[in-house]
Amino acid sequence: QVQLQESGPGLVKPSQTLSLTCTVSGGSINSGRYFWSWIRQPAGKGLEWLGHIYTSGITNYSPSLKSRLTISLDMANNQFSLKLNSVTAADTAVYYCARARETTKQPLPQFWGQGTLVTVSS
Amino acid sequence: EVLMTQSPATLSVSPGERATLSCRASESVSSHLAWYQQKPGQPPRLLIYGAYARGPAIPDRFSGSGSGTEFTLTISSLQSEDFAVYYCQQYNNWPGTFGRGTKVEIK
Repeated sequence: QVQLQESGPGLVKPSQTLSLTCTVSGGSINSGRYFWSWIRQPAGKGLEWLGHIYTSGITNYSPSLKSRLTISLDMANNQFSLKLNSVTAADTAVYYCARARETTKQPLPQFWGQGTLVTVSS
Repeated sequence: EVLMTQSPATLSVSPGERATLSCRASESVSSHLAWYQQKPGQPPRLLIYGAYARGPAIPDRFSGSGSGTEFTLTISSLQSEDFAVYYCQQYNNWPGTFGRGTKVEIK
């Protein structure tokens, strides 16, 4: 069974870059037709899909975050990462990494990490 | 983006009773609709995909129906472990969008 675990700073200052890593175990990030995804959830609110990276390295980002977001793969360490720059308080949320499977349309998140809270504050 | 609207926001149900949750899409998403269950401090858990197919190890008291813009999640006989927040999500269009959730609480 694949497992995912987020890691990174819990506190980021406004205007700085939020960086998170997702470590995947129980399966290789380089195998299968999966979309390695980042999804966030502000406190008391709904879920927002930020973007994903396919096993091939092709990325797709939410239009609302495209200018600030970078997702990358680290095959050697079986990890993938998120970088969100120029953060504001509105970026405060629990950030989840997830493995999404291929469908006939858009990817479908199946396995999720436990999530990590990131607070943007000075 | 496709707007997903869930109703009601909160549903109070007694154990053993039936719960019916609704989800409406702002445009047709065909059958590309999933339901997730989330408990406090936990990530979402995939319950239903393709509008009606149950995910791995999901009990058959959970059932999904609908297509196009109107969808329903039914829990036939609520168990104590079913009290949680339920989200619908469309994956027909990019980015996949989620509803705001329905909280199922004990009556």
